[in-house]
Amino acid sequence: EPEVTQTPSHQVTQMGQEVILRCVPISNHLYFYWYRQILGQKVEFLVSFYNNEISEKSEIFDDQFSVERPDGSNFTLKIRSTKLEDSAMYFCASRGWEGTYQPQHFGDGTRLSIL
Amino acid sequence: SQQGEEDPQALSIQEGENATMNCSYKTSINNLQWYRQNSGRGLVHLILIRSNEREKHSGRLRVTLDTSKKSSSLLITASRAADTASYFCATVPSGGGADGLTFGKGTHLIIQP
Repeated sequence: EPEVTQTPSHQVTQMGQEVILRCVPISNHLYFYWYRQILGQKVEFLVSFYNNEISEKSEIFDDQFSVERPDGSNFTLKIRSTKLEDSAMYFCASRGWEGTYQPQHFGDGTRLSIL
Repeated sequence: SQQGEEDPQALSIQEGENATMNCSYKTSINNLQWYRQNSGRGLVHLILIRSNEREKHSGRLRVTLDTSKKSSSLLITASRAADTASYFCATVPSGGGADGLTFGKGTHLIIQP
């Protein structure tokens, strides 16, 4: 069964540094998402992306965050100047469209640790 | 409470028993979904129920949706040790367009052999 893949599985970065989290969505999917889960807390929506532009973003997704689909397969989340509170699991998700709403499929996440 | 609140927060049952988890939400929805998360892993989609549906089955899973009460339940029958995980409900708001999922805090289910 097709999967969403995320790299790296664990990223350790110094506070203030830029970090790029990478995702390869399922190949025929058209809608892409990023979520984060701070340890012990609920999964929170960050941003959705469709047709090469952001379709929705949450209050968490401020100016330090950006997303990009640089080619036909990758979907990236960039955090420009990381803060300690950015430490979390970051999940990428994608979904298709088959005439009706299809569920989002998640990757296994990238654990981001900010030192 | 916030959108997508599950209860109980934790549930421990014997293998073979049925497990029931509940979810409440606040706003109008297009659909409600249940996901499972094993420790340290991503979210696995289990079942989606649309706002015009009242009940849905998938294998050992049964989901109900009561839009008048803004609540849903997930029943896992004949539980197995492999069902041990956290279970989350997530909602997609009605109105079209925005479909970022709003998750609850989850129910941590432990199946004792």
